[in-house]
Amino acid sequence: DTAVSQTPKYLVTQMGNDKSIKCEQNLGHDTMYWYKQDSKKFLKIMFSYNNKELIINETVPNRFSPKSPDKAHLNLHINSLELGDSAVYFCASSHWAPRGEQYFGPGTRLTVT
Amino acid sequence: QKEVEQNSGPLSVPEGAIASLNCTYSDRGSQSFFWYRQYSGKSPELIMFIYSNGDKEDGRFTAQLNKASQYVSLLIRDSQPSDSATYLCAVTNSGYALNFGKGTSLLVTP
Repeated sequence: DTAVSQTPKYLVTQMGNDKSIKCEQNLGHDTMYWYKQDSKKFLKIMFSYNNKELIINETVPNRFSPKSPDKAHLNLHINSLELGDSAVYFCASSHWAPRGEQYFGPGTRLTVT
Repeated sequence: QKEVEQNSGPLSVPEGAIASLNCTYSDRGSQSFFWYRQYSGKSPELIMFIYSNGDKEDGRFTAQLNKASQYVSLLIRDSQPSDSATYLCAVTNSGYALNFGKGTSLLVTP
């Protein structure tokens, strides 16, 4: 199936731990994104990458570090997890264009205890 | 601050009726406008996009854009219970990041 996939789907961890979320797309897109959806369901951009280069970093704490090994993959590493990091994290991808329609992965529900 | 405003709802419509969802945005430089549908516990699903003033129809869905009024809407004709979901309006001026509204919850009652 052509899609945006993420792993893991659920992630439960304790405060202070470091964790990673992986994202892969096989849609042939060259731009990938991370969004955070908080408990109030508000969806907000965190990062966007075009051809492995960081384009947007939206006032995200530097504990969050995205890495794009190639155009089809965008991973998110989070250091020193805090309670407030609990949310659903969505990866998305699109063609590079001012009008590129973005397609979302299934999401990773992160719970920090 | 670039804002996208939606009525949170819930908007309740009977089956077979037209559901009308509205969205306003503050950034006059916005170029692209999207509607996503999100079922509870699922990811946002792109259902419509529109770039030019006017109407765009796709099946039971019609997106309407008025850049002068900074207003975009989504009409769902012949609403079905399966249309019950949260509808997210998203706007971008660059294509690199979508600026989302908080969503409107739609409930279609049989």
